[in-house]
Amino acid sequence: NAGVMQNPRHLVRRRGQEARLRCSPMKGHSHVYWYRQLPEEGLKFMVYLQKENIIDESGMPKERFSAEFPKEGPSILRIQQVVRGDSAAYFCASSPTDSSYEQYFGPGTRLTVT
Amino acid sequence: AQSVTQLGSHVSVSEGALVLLRCNYSSSVPPYLFWYVQYPNQGLQLLLKYTTGATLVKGINGFEAEFKKSETSFHLTKPSAHMSDAAEYFCAVSATLAGSARQLTFGSGTQLTVLP
Repeated sequence: NAGVMQNPRHLVRRRGQEARLRCSPMKGHSHVYWYRQLPEEGLKFMVYLQKENIIDESGMPKERFSAEFPKEGPSILRIQQVVRGDSAAYFCASSPTDSSYEQYFGPGTRLTVT
Repeated sequence: AQSVTQLGSHVSVSEGALVLLRCNYSSSVPPYLFWYVQYPNQGLQLLLKYTTGATLVKGINGFEAEFKKSETSFHLTKPSAHMSDAAEYFCAVSATLAGSARQLTFGSGTQLTVLP
């Protein structure tokens, strides 16, 4: 039973480019969370999605960041016009239902902006 | 609103010694509490969780934690450290009320070093 999958594991982008991070939840899980981990810091919540719905995006920066979880396919975290401060590890987690508080984390995507 | 404070960003213990990692939380509603471990360049692995019931919870790899409501604490312990325990440990809290946000609020982490 595959766990949460994220790709790419490492992503290098120049300032001003776009970054697309993908997350495939565990089989049977329809709830996805994105977190960001800046160097020397803990994880910070960004967004919570269910299939085709954004439930809570209170942790998302107001500009340049967007997320989706389509009916088919992985969840996508998109960062437009990346800046150096976007360099971080981005983790996706999934859970089976909205009443399950146990979240299973993927290995993360490490974004480096040069 | 919730928050988590982990006392001590770095803890060193000798192999075979007691491991104690401290976590205090703040929550306006009854909390669910979690400890995760992160090995270098990897994702987070759940060690243990407290939801309801028994306040002393046992997790994987010999770790356990005790929920103390009066002290708003959820400290992580292990009787005897092993070299393989060297990693970063995160305490996290989430809300329990129906309709409340499900996201985890994390502490800033404690890096555990195990000395031979």
